[in-house]
Amino acid sequence: EVQLVDSGGDLVQPGGSLTLSCAASGFTFSAYWMTWVRQAPGKGLEWVANIKQDGSEKYYVDSVKGRFTISRDNGKNSLYLQMNSLRAEDTAVYYCARGPLYHVYWGQGTLVTVSS
Amino acid sequence: EIVLTQSPGTLSLSPGERATLSCRASQSVRSSYLAWYQQKPGQAPRLLIYGVSSGATGTPDRFSGGGSGTDFTLTISRLEPEDFAVYYCQQYGSSPYTFGQGTKLEI
Repeated sequence: EVQLVDSGGDLVQPGGSLTLSCAASGFTFSAYWMTWVRQAPGKGLEWVANIKQDGSEKYYVDSVKGRFTISRDNGKNSLYLQMNSLRAEDTAVYYCARGPLYHVYWGQGTLVTVSS
Repeated sequence: EIVLTQSPGTLSLSPGERATLSCRASQSVRSSYLAWYQQKPGQAPRLLIYGVSSGATGTPDRFSGGGSGTDFTLTISRLEPEDFAVYYCQQYGSSPYTFGQGTKLEI
């Protein structure tokens, strides 16, 4: 059974940093692009970033370029999102999802709150 | 960036009725790369339709997608109680892969 488990969300002050993790199981993690999608409270979905199977290609939405870094460790079947210079508008539930385009499998989400 | 505008914002219907949800793109969606998701409170989105009209595994037959270019629709032929949720369209033909703002389907 495919499982994606998101973790690492927390309350952080503006300007702070946080790293999210997504633990994958039930499939060959190294064979798939992976994606982060976020959802602000009461709002719609926003594609954030994705990463190729070997980590050689990474793409970001403009609003996080230069602040967020997506990475992966295929040996640990894990996906990461390092978030720096966090802003109030980054407050959201962050989901990892399998695949580069549309997504059948999603994590349960982890809440990041940016507030003083 | 392709902007997707969904209408209506809220759709009030009864079980057994037909629902038609609209998704309009600010520019043509490449290669019919459009998907629809269903999301219930506290849950991750669930993929219903990809490639405009292909049903994902497990999607009931009452859900169908159509359209081309800039105008797309999701139709639910006969609403079941479990269908009342928020629905999002997503284009994945041009990066960034944007979502619509959602249509809430309520009883």
